[in-house]
Amino acid sequence: DIQMTQSPSTLSASVGDRVTITCRASQSISSWLAWYQQKPGKAPKLLIFKASSLKSGVPSRFSGSGSGAEFTLTISSLQPDDFATYYCQHYNSYMWTFGQGTKVEIK
Amino acid sequence: QLQLQESGPGLVEPSETLSLSCIVSSGSVTTYDIYWGWIRQPPGKGLEWIGSIYYSGTTYTYYNPSLRGRATTSIDSSKNHFSLQITSVTAADTAVYYCARHEAAEFDHWGQGILVTVSS
Repeated sequence: DIQMTQSPSTLSASVGDRVTITCRASQSISSWLAWYQQKPGKAPKLLIFKASSLKSGVPSRFSGSGSGAEFTLTISSLQPDDFATYYCQHYNSYMWTFGQGTKVEIK
Repeated sequence: QLQLQESGPGLVEPSETLSLSCIVSSGSVTTYDIYWGWIRQPPGKGLEWIGSIYYSGTTYTYYNPSLRGRATTSIDSSKNHFSLQITSVTAADTAVYYCARHEAAEFDHWGQGILVTVSS
């Protein structure tokens, strides 16, 4: 099975900071990689799909990139509404696997 | 706007069967090329995919091997909902359970989630 590992587990940042979260797969994978934002008590919200495609309605400060086994989610200028937990998720052969999450905290 | 809503008991006794339904509004569970999935999140922990069901005239189901055959999903087209059952539950099955829609790779619509506690 392909394992997805996110880093860091927790990130402390300030409003306006550029933030990067990494998701590494245990082997080279296709671009079926998505990113979600989750706030406490709420369902996850899809931000990025196919590694780099921004879902309609998601602010352009969010971007995704990567290939092979390493993918990144970047927030170009962190806003107060962005403090949340972020998850990557991979799809392969009828298995859907999530990373363990990265919590973005206020510094 | 597609909406999903989980329903079911919030408390299940150990060794019993957990049963949840997800009611779909403004959409059909028999739409071709659409998967309907279940994801859970134990308190304070991350997300785990449980299983998904796909309808294309015939129903196909897919499950996370970690559930060791305890999970079953089904579609009820007459009620426009899909369901999850997990047998022989233990405290480790305590979690918020989400239903979600996906077009193969990513989950683009989610229910609000329902907390299910396994306890006597």
